[in-house]
Amino acid sequence: QSALTQPASVSGSPGQSITISCTGTSSDVGGYNYVSWYQQHPGKAPKLMIYEVSNRPSGVPDRFSGSKSGNTASLTISGLQAEDEADYYCSSYTSSSTLVVFGGGTKLTVL
Amino acid sequence: QLQLQESGPGLVKPSETLSLTCTVSGGSISSSSYYWGWIRQPPGKGLEWIGSIYYSGSTYYNPSLKSRVTISVDTSKNQFSLKLSSVTAADTAVYYCARHMIVVVPIAFDIWGQGTMVTVSS
Repeated sequence: QSALTQPASVSGSPGQSITISCTGTSSDVGGYNYVSWYQQHPGKAPKLMIYEVSNRPSGVPDRFSGSKSGNTASLTISGLQAEDEADYYCSSYTSSSTLVVFGGGTKLTVL
Repeated sequence: QLQLQESGPGLVKPSETLSLTCTVSGGSISSSSYYWGWIRQPPGKGLEWIGSIYYSGSTYYNPSLKSRVTISVDTSKNQFSLKLSSVTAADTAVYYCARHMIVVVPIAFDIWGQGTMVTVSS
């Protein structure tokens, strides 16, 4: 069982917006602004999409945004495109000895 | 453009030691702004952080693997390495190396290698 909880799957139609949640505790998501999100296409390495809750690395479209409320972080993708279909993982720094925790991943299907 | 490339055997026998190397090109591993990490992903499953190392040799390990893991760095070769001892079938996974961004603590993996599949089987 993963330390951070994500829905197993979400779906949306092209052009729509979707949100993926990531729930942790006050020792990780709720306690620090060090949540990151990764996109992974089949057979490929993960790609950093969001870091420090809401910052986008250079080259990531502004359709991708991140936020946090309490112990739950969220990734929102607006204007869904077919190429957004992928697995998405959240991650957080944790004050526990584990240091880094991941969510179990969410499969995004673009209908 | 910084690139990372994993290398090592794709097949390891049970009870033996898994050894992988990550070669960093297009930049220096001796940057003060980054750790360098290993992450793995069993087939069809999620990501698991294994550990990370600073160019000085300072390390962080996942407590669940700490007793079996050693991560080392060779700044002269711009490489860092992973050793995982006493492997079992549960260690079968794609192993990724990645650059680990630091703020006050390591916070996110911003550049990843392509990954290498390691199978544990006799």
